[in-house]
Amino acid sequence: AQSVTQPDIHITVSEGASLELRCNYSYGATPYLFWYVQSPGQGLQLLLKYFSGDTLVQGIKGFEAEFKRSQSSFNLRKPSVHWSDAAEYFCAVGAPLGSARQLTFGSGTQLTVLP
Amino acid sequence: ETGVTQTPRHLVMGMTNKKSLKCEQHLGHNAMYWYKQSAKKPLELMFVYSLEERVENNSVPSRFSPECPNSSHLFLHLHTLQPEDSALYLCASSHHNWTSGGGEQFFGPGTRLTVL
Repeated sequence: AQSVTQPDIHITVSEGASLELRCNYSYGATPYLFWYVQSPGQGLQLLLKYFSGDTLVQGIKGFEAEFKRSQSSFNLRKPSVHWSDAAEYFCAVGAPLGSARQLTFGSGTQLTVLP
Repeated sequence: ETGVTQTPRHLVMGMTNKKSLKCEQHLGHNAMYWYKQSAKKPLELMFVYSLEERVENNSVPSRFSPECPNSSHLFLHLHTLQPEDSALYLCASSHHNWTSGGGEQFFGPGTRLTVL
């Protein structure tokens, strides 16, 4: 069965600093990988996804992520964090489920941004 | 309306009540999902419907009963819930087939459920 580990429960960065959120996955085949963001009281918004091709994927809000098969990782990065980026971030791996697909999520990383 | 909508946004119910959560998607998708999000826990997949047929019932207690009357609507019927069922319930939708390169799930804002 697939699984996702986000080793950092909580990260604090200063506004303008760079950010990297870690994600490690376990999956037997070529993974479909996603990063989502959740603001308080809201649903999850897709930041970016990886299916195939270029291992560096660009997303919304200036985020990017790099797929490294050898390390089973899909880390999320942003060169300069804005105060509005404070939220919870979830990494997920997709897998077939009957005629549908399921996403398995990590436990999330809470990001705090200091002024 | 666009995207995925959920009603109500907040619900407080007693343990003997019966209520329903509603989800509607306006994205032309044909798979819909219910998730439970509790504090300090990963998202738990509860139910999956693909092409209006239930694909997965992830060992969810029978006090939760899903219904998918068509590809745009999904309900979660609740009865005799327990206080530990208090959580954020999220609905999502997607295309059921990922070969076109899609497959990501689009989420609604959730229903915050409190069971007294």
